[in-house]
Amino acid sequence: AQKITQTQPGMFVQEKEAVTLDCTYDTSDPSYGLFWYKQPSSGEMIFLIYQGSYDQQNATEGRYSLNFQKARKSANLVISASQLGDSAMYFCAMRDLNTGNQFYFGTGTSLTVIP
Amino acid sequence: DAGVIQSPRHEVTEMGQEVTLRCKPISGHDYLFWYRQTMMRGLELLIYFNNNVPIDDSGMPEDRFSAKMPNASFSTLKIQPSEPRDSAVYFCASSLASTGAKAFFGQGTRLTVV
Repeated sequence: AQKITQTQPGMFVQEKEAVTLDCTYDTSDPSYGLFWYKQPSSGEMIFLIYQGSYDQQNATEGRYSLNFQKARKSANLVISASQLGDSAMYFCAMRDLNTGNQFYFGTGTSLTVIP
Repeated sequence: DAGVIQSPRHEVTEMGQEVTLRCKPISGHDYLFWYRQTMMRGLELLIYFNNNVPIDDSGMPEDRFSAKMPNASFSTLKIQPSEPRDSAVYFCASSLASTGAKAFFGQGTRLTVV
């Protein structure tokens, strides 16, 4: 079974609008971390936001927020007020101790911001 | 700290040649990961180390691939002999041990085998 599932291969959003990128995860470990990374066309992997399994509140970092629904095992990334520079691949990742403390990455979502 | 440093940034080699990719993790990090990224297969974990010890190499595609971490500040990924299907971007990442610790990625090595 996939540990991380991103079901949206590609998404489009109008500039200045908000967009939600979906991510579901699978783990039996009560302690885990969830991460989102951005990969622009230049290729580097840029960390965006982190959510811990025990965190009571949804994580926020500037225009990025994480909609964490623990019971549904989902960790969707919300980007508010989209900018042209947000066009990139976005990867959701999870880390838990049950499976050796490695990072599991999803297949990514390609986001295109339309002017 | 300068971050995770990979070298070379680009490598073009002929089929059958040996290729060595290098990585210097962030000082103090316990974990080091090697990933391969292609359009077809996405981001694949090849191998990772904890305190210089290989933990899981099940992602290494074939015996042609090998990785070492002789000390806490250096790791290599070697492909011998290289094949065109090895063409990809290879990333090295390092992190601290906590499940809350993020992975810091290097800039990647773009390998082209002709």
